[in-house]
Amino acid sequence: DTAVSQTPKYLVTQMGNDKSIKCEQNLGHDTMYWYKQDSKKFLKIMFSYNNKELIINETVPNRFSPKSPDKAHLNLHINSLELGDSAVYFCASSLRGRETQYFGPGTRLLVL
Amino acid sequence: GQNIDQPTEMTATEGAIVQINCTYQTSGFNGLFWYQQHAGEAPTFLSYNVLDGLEEKGRFSSFLSRSKGYSYLLLKELQMKDSASYLCAVNRDDKIIFGKGTRLHILP
Repeated sequence: DTAVSQTPKYLVTQMGNDKSIKCEQNLGHDTMYWYKQDSKKFLKIMFSYNNKELIINETVPNRFSPKSPDKAHLNLHINSLELGDSAVYFCASSLRGRETQYFGPGTRLLVL
Repeated sequence: GQNIDQPTEMTATEGAIVQINCTYQTSGFNGLFWYQQHAGEAPTFLSYNVLDGLEEKGRFSSFLSRSKGYSYLLLKELQMKDSASYLCAVNRDDKIIFGKGTRLHILP
């Protein structure tokens, strides 16, 4: 029944490693997003995909690469992890780009 | 958050009413969302205003003035479970931009 799911929920890793976070939505939505929420709780959009096509790519390091194999999935791969990447990463989806977003439970990433 | 301003923190008493304001830059504006986020959880949708006026949904109401670039979220009959962050988010040029959120503390 989970509408937007993310795995893993927690991720603890060493600097320099490469990791991936997966997101799936079963709502039939066309648009999916990745957000980063830092320690100050500011929610900032990173990427947005509409029907597997990238439509928003904010200023994030190119170590972050999103991949959308189909419109129900949007994965985030991070290369060469840095301490500053520690944050909560939320996936979200909406029916269309302008509409209400439904958020996944978040992935808490800690880089040591 | 790209000229979306809301107070950082507010405190109110159980049973009372609180109003959380949000001001934003009006260029490219299409609508305004309010989300609630409890500590350690994901944001959840509360309301979406496109036209001027007040929309009521149970204990929560949201108001919008497009010409003034102003919105507020009104919470009535406050309960302890309303302790959370409230995020104002603007739909601008088909992008949703979040404010930094208002952390609301409810005192018994």
